[in-house]
Amino acid sequence: EIVMTQSPAILSVSPGERATLSCRASQTISSNLAWYQQRPGQAPRLLIYGASTRVTGIPVRFSGSGSGTEFTLTISSLQSEDFAIYYCQQYSNRPPAFSFGGGTKLEIK
Amino acid sequence: DVQLVQSGAEVKKPGESLKISCQGSGYNFRTYWIAWVRQMPGKGLEWMGIIYPDDSDATYSPSFQNHVSISVDKSAKTTYLQWNNLRASDTAMYFCARRNYFGSGTRHFGMDVWGQGTTVIVSS
Repeated sequence: EIVMTQSPAILSVSPGERATLSCRASQTISSNLAWYQQRPGQAPRLLIYGASTRVTGIPVRFSGSGSGTEFTLTISSLQSEDFAIYYCQQYSNRPPAFSFGGGTKLEIK
Repeated sequence: DVQLVQSGAEVKKPGESLKISCQGSGYNFRTYWIAWVRQMPGKGLEWMGIIYPDDSDATYSPSFQNHVSISVDKSAKTTYLQWNNLRASDTAMYFCARRNYFGSGTRHFGMDVWGQGTTVIVSS
């Protein structure tokens, strides 16, 4: 089973600044990685798939990078609505399977 | 609108059985895998399992394999998550989500549509 580890657990950043969130896989997953945002009381929202491709409608300030075992989600110029919890998720096919990281809470500094 | 609508909150006792549901609409329900995800109070997301409505093929996370079952009624466009012996530790929010695929060459996947969540409380 592939284990996903996110760091830091909590990240404090000021509005307008840049946030960098990390995700590591316990074994290589190529670019089979997605990022989700979860605001309080809401279901998660898919932001990025394939490690770096934004879902339609996701603002360009969200960007993903990485491959293999190390991945990064960068949010440039943080807006108030961006303060939330972010999860990375690896996926595989045949059979389909997923695993989530533990999450990074992005809070206002 | 593409949406998944889940059944309402449940309060049960340890040892009881429970079946919660997730109904899809606005898309071809049969041809998209539906996953179930657990979120315990104040904790992160955990993938539980996934089912393909057209043939009921299901795969489970090893962590949940022997404790829950996932089923589907494709005529009702509904998937189910079921327990036969609830424990207090099953207290959580449960989400269903549609697995979509992206790209024509190398396919990538993501859970692009989510239900609103079903709260399950298990307490004596």
